[in-house]
Amino acid sequence: EAGVAQSPRYKIIEKRQSVAFWCNPISGHATLYWYQQILGQGPKLLIQFQNNGVVDDSQLPKDRFSAERLKGVDSTLKIQPAKLEDSAVYLCASSLDQALGQFFGPGTRLTVL
Amino acid sequence: EDQVTQSPEALRLQEGESSSLNCSYTVSGLRGLFWYRQDPGKGPEFLFTLYSAGEEKEKERLKATLTKKESFLHITAPKPEDSATYLCAVQAPVATSGTYKYIFGTGTRLKVLA
Repeated sequence: EAGVAQSPRYKIIEKRQSVAFWCNPISGHATLYWYQQILGQGPKLLIQFQNNGVVDDSQLPKDRFSAERLKGVDSTLKIQPAKLEDSAVYLCASSLDQALGQFFGPGTRLTVL
Repeated sequence: EDQVTQSPEALRLQEGESSSLNCSYTVSGLRGLFWYRQDPGKGPEFLFTLYSAGEEKEKERLKATLTKKESFLHITAPKPEDSATYLCAVQAPVATSGTYKYIFGTGTRLKVLA
């Protein structure tokens, strides 16, 4: 079974630039999550989708972050404009159901200069 | 405020030296508690889900237990390949929306020496 795919793996941008991350979840997984993990900390949930609807985006900085999940499969997370404090690893995860464990992708390491 | 606290922050063990990692939580209406393993440069790997106090789950040298206030991850006779960061997460209801939120702890960095 293929795992969660993410791209790119690494991205370096300057502050005020825009960046987008892509995630392809495990086939058949209805729930998709985006997390931000700053070095030395646990993952922080940014947004959760159930199929193509948003379940929770309470910790998403909506003035600069946006996310969408087209047709309930792939998802993109965008940052516009980026700030220095956005430097982190952005993790995508999926699960069959909200109550079950999540399967994570390898993450995208973002460095904002 | 909902919180998840893991201790210790870091732990060094000799190969074969058993120990426990702790995850204490304060949430209203715990729906589930999850343990993950994270290797450097990789995403977390799902280990266990615990749903109710008294529940136990085992996998190889790992055993997770749950009480009403905390969870323990017991590592029996660890090997160097068990070295990783172990993360605990809780799922709790969001009162205003009827949905559920995930809160991760900051993890315990485990190093097992040969």
